[in-house]
Amino acid sequence: SAVISQKPSRDICQRGTSLTIQCQVDSQVTMMFWYRQQPGQSLTLIATANQGSEATYESGFVIDKFPISRPNLTFSTLTVSNMSPEDSSIYLCSVYRGDGNTIYFGEGSWLTVV
Amino acid sequence: DQQVKQNSPSLSVQEGRISILNCDYTNSMFDYFLWYKKYPAEGPTFLISISSIKDKNEDGRFTVFLNKSAKHLSLHIVPSQPGDSAVYFCAARPGGYNQGGKLIFGQGTELSVKP
Repeated sequence: SAVISQKPSRDICQRGTSLTIQCQVDSQVTMMFWYRQQPGQSLTLIATANQGSEATYESGFVIDKFPISRPNLTFSTLTVSNMSPEDSSIYLCSVYRGDGNTIYFGEGSWLTVV
Repeated sequence: DQQVKQNSPSLSVQEGRISILNCDYTNSMFDYFLWYKKYPAEGPTFLISISSIKDKNEDGRFTVFLNKSAKHLSLHIVPSQPGDSAVYFCAARPGGYNQGGKLIFGQGTELSVKP
């Protein structure tokens, strides 16, 4: 398995501000991803965090709104920019080691935008 | 276009009985399927998975069945325990190069196991 730590675990944010979420893994992983779960909804992939290069975004998500960094094989950040109440969600980091078929998730970061 | 569907938003089962959670998919190129258990405001916990080349995988009280011709999979929990009460998500992995960790999730089924 993998131990995945996310910070912050939860936060209340003011409309128009930005917040950066950190994801730290206990060992090197091949791939890191960021997901979002809006209230009452399923999990949706935001982007793949690529080590040393720009993230790959899914349809409907853009870099200006969700800038992502991945400086090494164990760490990534997701920034939620210019937040609105619609951004109130749980943001989840997930990892894939590449040596099996299991994808693990962090505990999530629960953001409420007021 | 919902590629992975869990048509039952909720399921209530008596303790000790079997829980059956269902999942349908539309994309025949999915090569791996996973089940996750999730509590509110927490991350999903991996439960069990199955490759598209298999039709059954078992791990303790959890068994996943895959019917490729029907594009249907199910998770069986036997016997069900009150601690199993949570939301269960079915997820599918697209096949292909560099798709290893990307998952498409169903809407989830909330399981309630009554003592």
